[in-house]
Order: sequence, then structure tokens, then C-alpha cells
Amino acid sequence: QLQLQESGPGLVKPSETLSLTCTVSGGSISSSSYYWGWIRQPPGKGLEWIGSIYYSGSTYYNPSLKSRVTISVDTSKNQFSLKLSSVTAADTAVYYCARHVYGDYDYWGQGTLVTVSS
Amino acid sequence: EIVLTQSPATLSLSPGERATLSCRASQSVSSYLAWYQQKPGQAPRLLIYDASNRATGIPARFSGSGSGTDFTLTISSLEPEDFAVYYCQQRSNWPPRMYTFGQGTKLEIK
Repeated sequence: QLQLQESGPGLVKPSETLSLTCTVSGGSISSSSYYWGWIRQPPGKGLEWIGSIYYSGSTYYNPSLKSRVTISVDTSKNQFSLKLSSVTAADTAVYYCARHVYGDYDYWGQGTLVTVSS
Repeated sequence: EIVLTQSPATLSLSPGERATLSCRASQSVSSYLAWYQQKPGQAPRLLIYDASNRATGIPARFSGSGSGTDFTLTISSLEPEDFAVYYCQQRSNWPPRMYTFGQGTKLEIK
């Protein structure tokens, strides 16, 4: 059974960089059939797609976040990562990593809350 | 950017009743629309993809329909575990590739 697990700091200071890693188990991140993505959800609000990556390293991002987002992959560790720079309180959210096939997200991590506060 | 508008914002029904949730796109998304269910404290779960295809393990009481700009998720007979928030999501896979979610419909027990 495929599992995804987010990890990283739960508290980030304003103007700093948020960094999260998603570890995939029970399957290979190098599968040619799938993409891997990040989605976030501010407390009490809806879902926002952040960006996606293929095992080859090809990426595409939400235009509204593109200037601040970097997603990378480490196939040797079966992991992919998110970096979001210059964070503000508006970036406080539960961050999910997930697998998708052409944009349909079929496996999700449990999510991790990241709070931006000094 | 394609905007998805879900209605109603909240739907109050009783177990056994039929639920009809709507999602309207600001421009055509063809059939590239998915539905997710999210319960408190949990990640979303894929219910429907490509407008009308049930994801693996999803009960037959869930069905999706529509194409272009108007889509519907129907739950034929509500079970207690169906009360949750439902999101629609479009996948635009031509440049720029971008995915957007609707704002959600909360299905609550009446």
C-alpha cells in the first residue's frame, strides 16, 4: 500500500523559507505513470494547489506562487520536497503531499500544519 | 485561471436522502473534473475523476455527471459517513498546466 508522509518544521518565521519533505513508501517515486504534488489548506478554508513534479525533475507551479516555490525530487531517497520562500502569515496552512495521474490526486499524506509566526 | 464555483455552500439533509452537489467552471474544462470528500482532520479522498468515473473502492451510491462547464456529484442515498465537505477540482493539462479547486460544499446532517 502506497504511503506518503510529510515532514519538516511546524513553525517558520516571517520572511524565512518553509521547507517540507514528502517520503514515499510502498511504491517507487520513479514510476513513469505518476506525478507528485503539494497542496495546502489554510485553517478552516479550501484547498490550493501549489505545484507538481515528475521523477525526471520536470516541474510546474501555481502561477500565483511560482516566484516563491521550488519543488525538487530525490529518487535515491524516494522523496520530493517543497521550498516556499519569503513566507507570511498567509502561508499558514496544512500542507499535503500527494500522488497524481494527470491531476487526479489518488494518494495523499496525512498533512502537516505549518504556522508562520515570529 | 479557471475558477470553479460550488453550490450550495452548505447542504442539510438526512440519512437516506439524495444529495445533489453542483460545480460550475468559468470556462470549459471538458471532462477533466474530479470530486473529493474531506472529513475533519483528514486528507481529501478522491471520489470521482474525469467527471463520471468512480475511483477505486468508492461505493456505487456516488456518481458524477457533466461536461464543459457544469458538473454534478450525486449521492443516491446518504449514509452517516457521507457527511463531510466535498470539493471539485479541474485539471488543465495544456499550457499553462494548472489545477484549481472549488471552495467546497459542506454536507451536514439535518
